[in-house]
Amino acid sequence: EVQLVESGGGLVQPGRSLRLSCTASGFTFGDYAMSWVRQAPGKGLEWVGFIRSKAYGGTTEYAASVKGRFTISRDDSKSFAYLQMNSLKTEDTAVYYCTKYWGMGWFDPWGQGTLVTVSS
Amino acid sequence: DIQMTQSPSSVSASVGDRVTITCRASQGISSWLGWYQQKPGKAPKLLIYAASSLQSGVPSRFSGSGSGTDFTLTISSLQPEDLATYYCQQANSFPFTFGPGTKVDIK
Repeated sequence: EVQLVESGGGLVQPGRSLRLSCTASGFTFGDYAMSWVRQAPGKGLEWVGFIRSKAYGGTTEYAASVKGRFTISRDDSKSFAYLQMNSLKTEDTAVYYCTKYWGMGWFDPWGQGTLVTVSS
Repeated sequence: DIQMTQSPSSVSASVGDRVTITCRASQGISSWLGWYQQKPGKAPKLLIYAASSLQSGVPSRFSGSGSGTDFTLTISSLQPEDLATYYCQQANSFPFTFGPGTKVDIK
C-alpha cells in the first residue's frame, strides 16, 4: 500500500523558516515525481510545486506565490521529499499535503497533511 | 495562468439522486482534467483523471466527461458516503490550478 506521511509543521513567526518532510513507502520512490499542495483554513486547494524524478533531471516547478521562497528537494535513498519554506508570510498558513505525482498531471495518493501556522 | 471555475458552489440532493458538477477552464486544456473528492477533515482523493478515466478503486457511480474547456463530474446515484467537496484540477500547463470546489450535501 502506498503511504505518504508529512511532518514538520507547527507555529512559526513571519519571516522565519520551516522545513516539511514527507516519507514515502509502498512504491519505488525514485521513479516518481512528488508534489506539494496546500489548503488554507476553510479554503480550496492550491498547488505549491513539484520535483521531477532523477530520470527527468530532478528539476522543480513552483507556483508564483512561493517561487523564490520555497524549495522542494528529494532524497531517493531515504524515500523522502522536503519542502523548505523561507521568508514565511501569514498567508502561507495552511495544511500542506505531500502527493505522489503520476501520469503527467495527477496527484494520488495524498498524505494526511501537516498544519503550518505563520503568526506572531 | 489557467483559471478554473465550478458550478454550482454547493448542491443538496437525496440518496439515489443523480448529481452533476460542472467545471470550466479559462482556455482549452484538451483532456487534462482531474476530479478530486475531499471528505470533511480528510485529504483529497483522486476520482477521475484525463477527464473521463476512473481511478482504480473508485466506485463506478462516478463518471467524468468533457474536453477543451467544459467538463462534468456525474454521480449517478448519490450515496451517504459521497458527502464531500469536489474539486477539478487542470494539468495542461504550469501552474497547475484547482477549481474553487463544489460542496455536496445529503438531504
